[in-house]
Amino acid sequence: KQEVTQIPAALSVPEGENLVLNCSFTDSAIYNLQWFRQDPGKGLTSLLLIQSSQREQTSGRLNASLDKSSGRSTLYIAASQPGDSATYLCAVKDRGSTLGRLYFGRGTQLTVWP
Amino acid sequence: EAQVTQNPRYLITVTGKKLTVTCSQNMNHEYMSWYRQDPGLGLRQIYYSMNVEVTDKGDVPEGYKVSRKEKRNFPLILESPSPNQTSLYFCASSYNGQGGREKLFFGSGTQLSVL
Repeated sequence: KQEVTQIPAALSVPEGENLVLNCSFTDSAIYNLQWFRQDPGKGLTSLLLIQSSQREQTSGRLNASLDKSSGRSTLYIAASQPGDSATYLCAVKDRGSTLGRLYFGRGTQLTVWP
Repeated sequence: EAQVTQNPRYLITVTGKKLTVTCSQNMNHEYMSWYRQDPGLGLRQIYYSMNVEVTDKGDVPEGYKVSRKEKRNFPLILESPSPNQTSLYFCASSYNGQGGREKLFFGSGTQLSVL
């Protein structure tokens, strides 16, 4: 069974900083890894999806990398803005013993202050 | 507009009174799933379905039932709700397989309180 860990649990930075959020998982048998954003009281929005055969994906100021062999992914946010304040979650889709099941980390709560 | 629709948005009920939370998607997705989100515990998968008539248990299936008779709908049934099922529930859907189309789309959530 996968275990997904996100570090740090919370992060507070001034506007303009580049920052890195970390996600680790215990079993490399995955279909993909996704990064999500969740605003308070709202559903999750998928930001980036990295397939198991890929190393990274980029969208605007966001860049996500995947090192499947070491069980790690990072989400890099460039030039952070107050509007980036939200909780960021990662999730892996298992292709091992629990085929098709998704496992989420507990998230990193990001605050970007002006 | 592509979306996952959950109803109701808020629900207050009493212990033991059967309820159903509906979920519908208009994107022809094969994969659908239900999650509950609790403070300190994060998001946990309840059930998921890889396609019509195919369902599997997630991390926390006890006390829940699902069915997938049609591709677009995936209702969550609580036969006899208990207070420990008070939670924020999300439905989500995606395409199956490889190719980068497996982004998960979430509904807006159902806040359930069981008294």
